[in-house]
Amino acid sequence: GQQLNQSPQSMFIQEGEDVSMNCTSSSIFNTWLWYKQDPGEGPVLLIALYKAGELTSNGRLTAQFGITRKDSFLNISASIPSDVGIYFCAGQLLGDSSYKLIFGSGTRLLVRP
Amino acid sequence: GAVVSQHPSWVICKSGTSVKIECRSLDFQATTMFWYRQFPKQSLMLMATSNEGSKATYEQGVEKDKFLINHASLTLSTLTVTSAHPEDSSFYICSAVVLAKNIQYFGAGTRLSVL
Repeated sequence: GQQLNQSPQSMFIQEGEDVSMNCTSSSIFNTWLWYKQDPGEGPVLLIALYKAGELTSNGRLTAQFGITRKDSFLNISASIPSDVGIYFCAGQLLGDSSYKLIFGSGTRLLVRP
Repeated sequence: GAVVSQHPSWVICKSGTSVKIECRSLDFQATTMFWYRQFPKQSLMLMATSNEGSKATYEQGVEKDKFLINHASLTLSTLTVTSAHPEDSSFYICSAVVLAKNIQYFGAGTRLSVL
């Protein structure tokens, strides 16, 4: 099946540091979404991207839709302890009208105060 | 906006019983909802697509008679785990699609423990 390669798998950083994670695929997507999941909770939408090359910010978070439509990155600036959680990328394949999403494997972020 | 409520958040049941999980879109209508299953430290695994007024579409390997899905209204989809067994213990999450934005919004999840 279709896969999204998400990296890194985990990160343990110092509070205040910037973080970067990305997702790549061999397939073309028409929508990229970034979610954050806290333990025992459902994923919460962070950023939605719709156009190739699109760069969108949400507070300290910035995400971009790759120009080839096969990749996306998420940056978090000046990390704080509440940024701890699992971050998932998710994409909707180009031409897929089912609204299904393909998820990355997640990036587990730990922040040292 | 785009709030999805999932209930219950946690349920414990005896082996052989059935459990119903509800997923509601509170401030929008959702003709399409999804049901996922998540194992510890893993990503979300799509189980089925729930379509209002029609039969659900199940992913390969998911038993439709085991996981009954009903989407009888534009704001409610239910997942019933029938004759639950310990191997059905998991975290189940629903999502509802805001068609205009092409975005899935997720419920808070239901942790099912089958004894």
